[in-house]
Amino acid sequence: DADVTQTPRNRITKTGKRIMLECSQTKGHDRMYWYRQDPGLGLRLIYYSFDVKDINKGEISDGYSVSRQAQAKFSLSLESAIPNQTALYFCATRAGGGENTEAFFGQGTRLTVV
Amino acid sequence: SQQGEEDPQALSIQEGENATMNCSYKTSINNLQWYRQNSGRGLVHLILIRSNEREKHSGRLRVTLDTSKKSSSLLITASRAADTASYFCATDKGGAQKLVFGQGTRLTINP
Repeated sequence: DADVTQTPRNRITKTGKRIMLECSQTKGHDRMYWYRQDPGLGLRLIYYSFDVKDINKGEISDGYSVSRQAQAKFSLSLESAIPNQTALYFCATRAGGGENTEAFFGQGTRLTVV
Repeated sequence: SQQGEEDPQALSIQEGENATMNCSYKTSINNLQWYRQNSGRGLVHLILIRSNEREKHSGRLRVTLDTSKKSSSLLITASRAADTASYFCATDKGGAQKLVFGQGTRLTINP
């Protein structure tokens, strides 16, 4: 099983619908992140969390919300989906307590808003 | 905004040749990391170089870091068709432990 699991892997939704993307990890890491990838723009940070009680906005948080239900679970919600939120979404984790650590990524969720 | 900018955006070479990708960044960093992404898949960590290191090797990978020029390079030697992927640099400024990614270099290895 993958260390970082995202569900669903693919989703098509209609404009205005609420949708939740889920991420769970077995790495035991404190730090979890949601990124968005658009062609030619690399990955951009949406939200990040250092523990269950710590949630922080990234550079493109407008239109998104998150919930850290447990150390192992971090979900991303689109309250009212719009077409320009069509993108590939990645969850990632990093070990806490030190700065020189690598990130571990899920396989991604391809979201299409029509 | 993106911290890292990568050059070139796309690179196509013959199998067996060496591939070099460059990354420039804007602010001081704690470390710089390189990741690989196969088409539409999750990113996989390749190598991390700390700000006090100048060069690091891992198998066929060689990474250099020049903090005075705020730049890094990734060299893949003796390329293989399986190296075809997108490669991203990511900078870590420390503190909040946020990785900031560049736009990536799309590498194609032709058999």
